[in-house]
Amino acid sequence: QVQLVQSGSELKKPGASVKVSCKASGYTFTIYAMNWVRQAPGQGLEWMGWIDTNTGNPTYAQGFTGRFVFSLDTSVITAYLQISSLKAEDTAVYYCATSPCTSCPLDYWGQGTLVTVSS
Amino acid sequence: ESVLTQSPATLSLSPGERATLSCGASQSVSSNYLAWYQQRPGLAPRLLIYDASSRATGIPDRFSGSGSGTDFTLTISRLEPEDFAVYWCQQYGSSPFTFGPGTKVDIK
Repeated sequence: QVQLVQSGSELKKPGASVKVSCKASGYTFTIYAMNWVRQAPGQGLEWMGWIDTNTGNPTYAQGFTGRFVFSLDTSVITAYLQISSLKAEDTAVYYCATSPCTSCPLDYWGQGTLVTVSS
Repeated sequence: ESVLTQSPATLSLSPGERATLSCGASQSVSSNYLAWYQQRPGLAPRLLIYDASSRATGIPDRFSGSGSGTDFTLTISRLEPEDFAVYWCQQYGSSPFTFGPGTKVDIK
């Protein structure tokens, strides 16, 4: 069965960087796009964008350009979200989620990774 | 960017009652590419409905979706205890794939 297992919680200082991993299993990694979704504490869901797991080409939603980078390592069937120059407002749970195509719903989700940015 | 609204913000009902949740879009959703997700406290969202009215794998038939264009509805025919949660709609017809602000269904 499809499983997405994300890395554990992170506590970072402002200005630092963080890299969240999302390890996939149970399906052919390169046939599903990988999306990233942010949820600030007590808030709604924000779609951050997606990465084509076949080509490695990322697409970022407005507001998630510059400091946010999606990447892949197909040798270990893992997607990554890196956030640089962290700010307090980046404190959130970050989810990875697969979609079978570009215009498709998010059908399988990771368990989420809490990133806390605090001095 | 397509902006989604959801109403009501909170719905207080008893187990066994019918729940009707609404999702509106600022522009017509391409191909009715509208999904509903359920999120229980502390857990990741779960896909319930896609393409406005198709149930995802393993979703009970008490969940149904309807609507087209700019107005969509999620109906839970008889609320079970595990259905008290937050529900999100999302359009994936045009990038960015925006979410609505959510509806919380809580126990009356």
